[in-house]
Amino acid sequence: DAGITQSPRHKVTETGTPVTLRCHQTENHRYMYWYRQDPGHGLRLIHYSYGVKDTDKGEVSDGYSVSRSKTEDFLLTLESATSSQTSVYFCAISEPGPSTDTQYFGPGTRLTVL
Amino acid sequence: TQLLEQSPQFLSIQEGENLTVYCNSSSVFSSLQWYRQEPGEGPVLLVTVVTGGEVKKLKRLTFQFGDARKDSSLHITAAQPGDTGLYLCAGPTSSGTYKYIFGTGTRLKVLA
Repeated sequence: DAGITQSPRHKVTETGTPVTLRCHQTENHRYMYWYRQDPGHGLRLIHYSYGVKDTDKGEVSDGYSVSRSKTEDFLLTLESATSSQTSVYFCAISEPGPSTDTQYFGPGTRLTVL
Repeated sequence: TQLLEQSPQFLSIQEGENLTVYCNSSSVFSSLQWYRQEPGEGPVLLVTVVTGGEVKKLKRLTFQFGDARKDSSLHITAAQPGDTGLYLCAGPTSSGTYKYIFGTGTRLKVLA
């Protein structure tokens, strides 16, 4: 199994509070991704990173920010959580090459915003 | 905007039956991937298809990429309870930046 951990695994917070989710990898992969998964929507990309301090937006980036100061860590921040951000959040890593573009996913973080 | 639509959304079958799951788009993809996700876990890659018309087999699972590279199918022969899970197709966006879009998923339940 790829070495990806997410913390916390579960979190309950209140509307308007800041929340930071952490993704940590031990594989030295360049690409890291944050997705959210909601019923009927599959996985939707929030932000991704293609190197230290190199990040870009995905399709549902509003209300989220990210930072990557080290290869191994990718942080997702909800500056002011809203109930619509209640979801399961998955981190993924990838090291694309000529013959591979596999994404390896972490175990997920279940976030509930009350 | 690229979209991947999967059908059916839900499928409940008896052990031993065959089934097919579809992943369709109006856009051309350079490749398509299939993932399986079990409850409480992240998705795990099953296969990547890259050539139009390509067929790949993984034990009882057969994956096909459409000739025009706009669709893919997953066929399971003699389904077993261990096949239960959420099946997701995914493809790289046209931007070529290793960003991916995922289908809405097919939730399969195989009853013993």
